Amino acid sequence: QVTLKESGPVLVKPTETLTLTCSVSGFSLSNARMAVSWIRQPPGKALEWLAHIFSTDEKSYSTSLKSRLSISKDTSRSQVVLTMTNVAPVDTGTYYCARIWTTAKHAVDYWGQGTLVTVSS
Amino acid sequence: DIQMTQSPSTLSAFVGDSITITCRASQDINNWLAWYQQKPGKAPELLIYKASILESGVPSRFSGSGSGTEFTLTISSLQPDDFATYYCQQCKSYSGGLSFGGGTKVEFK
Repeated sequence: QVTLKESGPVLVKPTETLTLTCSVSGFSLSNARMAVSWIRQPPGKALEWLAHIFSTDEKSYSTSLKSRLSISKDTSRSQVVLTMTNVAPVDTGTYYCARIWTTAKHAVDYWGQGTLVTVSS
Repeated sequence: DIQMTQSPSTLSAFVGDSITITCRASQDINNWLAWYQQKPGKAPELLIYKASILESGVPSRFSGSGSGTEFTLTISSLQPDDFATYYCQQCKSYSGGLSFGGGTKVEFK
């Protein structure tokens, strides 16, 4: 059974760095057919893709947020970590990690439950 | 970056209606398009991938079509469980990243 679970702070102050962890099970981060993405959703708004990472450690970032994001993985611990620097209230929202089946579907087939992050002083 | 534009943003319908949602890409994405359904407070769920392939377990009243820059999601005979928000997502090039449409909320008329 494939599962993804996000963890991290509920509340972050403006200008601080946000670190989120995605713990996966049911598949390996070394599987060449899979990638893990971070996707966020401000309250009442649309989904926004942030970054993804492949088994090869190749990474890709949203153009608009590239300077503030960093994604990494620890295959042995089955974890993917997203770091966002210099957060602001506009970064408030639910952050999802998700699995992409890159070869067969080119789509997200499993999502985490999401974690709500509020940026406020 | 590839921009995805969905229309309409809101759609009002009755149970039993057939509805169509459109998604347009700013450039040719072949058939690298997926559709998701999201209910309030929940993560999205995959409905269709590669523009027209139904994800396992998704009812056959959902269908997708299109290629290139224009795509549609059709729900025939809308059911009460179908009132939700729907998103399209392109994945033409992983190096260029994924991008989502702005969403279409399907609500009771």
